Amino acid sequence: EAQVTQNPRYLITVTGKKLTVTCSQNMNHEYMSWYRQDPGLGLRQIYYSMNVEVTDKGDVPEGYKVSRKEKRNFPLILESPSPNQTSLYFCASSLGVMGTDEQFFGPGTRLTVL
Amino acid sequence: SQQGEEDPQALSIQEGENATMNCSYKTSINNLQWYRQNSGRGLVHLILIRSNEREKHSGRLRVTLDTSKKSSSLLITASRAADTASYFCALVPSGTYKYIFGTGTRLKVLA
Repeated sequence: EAQVTQNPRYLITVTGKKLTVTCSQNMNHEYMSWYRQDPGLGLRQIYYSMNVEVTDKGDVPEGYKVSRKEKRNFPLILESPSPNQTSLYFCASSLGVMGTDEQFFGPGTRLTVL
Repeated sequence: SQQGEEDPQALSIQEGENATMNCSYKTSINNLQWYRQNSGRGLVHLILIRSNEREKHSGRLRVTLDTSKKSSSLLITASRAADTASYFCALVPSGTYKYIFGTGTRLKVLA
């Protein structure tokens, strides 16, 4: 089944404790992206990747890191989480890189930073 | 902010009625997409309309695009309770790889 998976689905952590949210897709997609969703603000793009080893900042990259060492995986790293990073996070992937194709979304990761 | 703006923010209608939601944006685009989200779950793609198209249909969905006004609308005809969800427009400004999402419209369809 074609899908985007994220882990963990729920995470409660404390300020400053490094964490990684994994994202994997099995569709051989070129483009992968991370978003955060906060009430009243819609989805905001954190980072995106056009291909292996090619990543770039979205609109809200501060406090986050990403890597794309393999085509299927695109982990999101919070080196020193802070309470303002409490949010619902989505990973997504698409075949094309300039909005020419639909994005497939993962189920989301709800992160709480205390 | 580069976010797209959607209106209304919330819409409540009776089953069988039509629902219209609008998206406005600020940049030139190659295409525009609409997504649906059920209660905190992952978004699901509904329809994509290219900048050289003015209208597109998919089942009960009708999307229009006016690039001169930088706006798009999504019409859901003969709505059902199962259409209750949040709806988002999404676009990639020309010459970039970034996605910009609208703020969303929360649709509630009453049975």
